[in-house]
Amino acid sequence: QEQLVQSGPEVRKPGASVKVSCKASGYTFTDYYMHWVRQAPGQGLEWMGIINSGGSSTHYAQQFQGRVTMTRDTSTATVYMELSSLRSDDTAFYYCAREGGFDLNLWGQGTLVTVS
Amino acid sequence: EIVLTQSPGTLSLSPGERATLSCRASQSVSSSHLAWYQQRPGQAPKLLIYGASSRATGIPDRFSGSGSGTDFTLTIGRLEPEDFAVYYCQQYGRSLTFGGGTKVEIK
Repeated sequence: QEQLVQSGPEVRKPGASVKVSCKASGYTFTDYYMHWVRQAPGQGLEWMGIINSGGSSTHYAQQFQGRVTMTRDTSTATVYMELSSLRSDDTAFYYCAREGGFDLNLWGQGTLVTVS
Repeated sequence: EIVLTQSPGTLSLSPGERATLSCRASQSVSSSHLAWYQQRPGQAPKLLIYGASSRATGIPDRFSGSGSGTDFTLTIGRLEPEDFAVYYCQQYGRSLTFGGGTKVEIK
């Protein structure tokens, strides 16, 4: 079945970087754009950005520009999100999600990143 | 950036009742660009409605979406125990934004 499986929880100190992975299976990886969305504990959803199907183009939300990098490896059907200069308010669940046109129709299980 | 405002923040209802959730946009949104998600505690969001009114695969027909322009609505016909959750609207124009969410809780 179609699924996105993300890497495990991470703990980082302020100022460090973190790289979260998201492995796709059950569908043609190169047919779909991928997004990243984060959710601070007890808060709402915040869109971070998108990477196109081939990995050649990205678009990041303004509040993350300069700190986030999204990449993808078609050989392993994996997308990555790296966030640098971490602060305590970056503590959140980070989700990858597949774009279905103008919506996100398949989500990873989430990766908790704790900055402390 | 288009801002989505959801109301109410919390909706307290009993199983079997009807739920009506609102999503208002700061500027007009194409209906095809409006989606709704359900998020249960400890789970990732799940797509319910896309294109403002089309149910995603496997979504029961008690869920329906409507609206256009700046005002959109998600209706849950008769609440089942598993429907008590948080619901988010989302638009995707030049960038993607979410509303702040409506929590549907058991009264």
